[in-house]
Amino acid sequence: DGGITQSPKYLFRKEGQNVTLSCEQNLNHDAMYWYRQDPGQGLRLIYYSQIVNDFQKGDIAEGYSVSREKKESFPLTVTSAQKNPTAFYLCASSLGQSSGNTIYFGEGSWLTVV
Amino acid sequence: EDQVTQSPEALRLQEGESSSLNCSYTVSGLRGLFWYRQDPGKGPEFLFTLYSAGEEKEKERLKATLTKKESFLHITAPKPEDSATYLCAVQGSSGGYQKVTFGIGTKLQVIP
Repeated sequence: DGGITQSPKYLFRKEGQNVTLSCEQNLNHDAMYWYRQDPGQGLRLIYYSQIVNDFQKGDIAEGYSVSREKKESFPLTVTSAQKNPTAFYLCASSLGQSSGNTIYFGEGSWLTVV
Repeated sequence: EDQVTQSPEALRLQEGESSSLNCSYTVSGLRGLFWYRQDPGKGPEFLFTLYSAGEEKEKERLKATLTKKESFLHITAPKPEDSATYLCAVQGSSGGYQKVTFGIGTKLQVIP
């Protein structure tokens, strides 16, 4: 079945550590995204990418990094510079259309700082 | 700046009690309005895309409608399995394809 796979589902980070969240899609979508979801707030865009080896900062990119070496893959690294990393992280993909750009989401990853 | 406001924040219905969720939006040139369902601890599941005022789409007990200022998600004779948070999002003409603004959602609880 086509879809977006995120791993791990749950991740714990110690202070000062970098952690990487994996995201793979087999929908043949060009665009991929990372969002962060916090209680009482709408989804906030961290990074997005339209093509391989190119990506752009979203609204809250500080403390995060990404790579896009393959069309199917868009991993997110939460660095030690991210001061409040505990959140629900959502990877997503779409055709990247200028109109009617329907975004499809993975199941999400919970990151907790311990 | 595009804005999305959803109301109510939470809604409790008896099974079979029909109701509507509201999504008010401000956008410069609507290019798409999206509805999603999100279960606790899971990613949003896509429901509908609407493009222009007057458009309607249906799926089982759900029907989405669109005007120039708001969208409604009508739920007819809901069942307990319809309990979830429903998210609304808009894509406007300012900014690129990635500029999709999400609301906070309406948390729906359907009681047997």
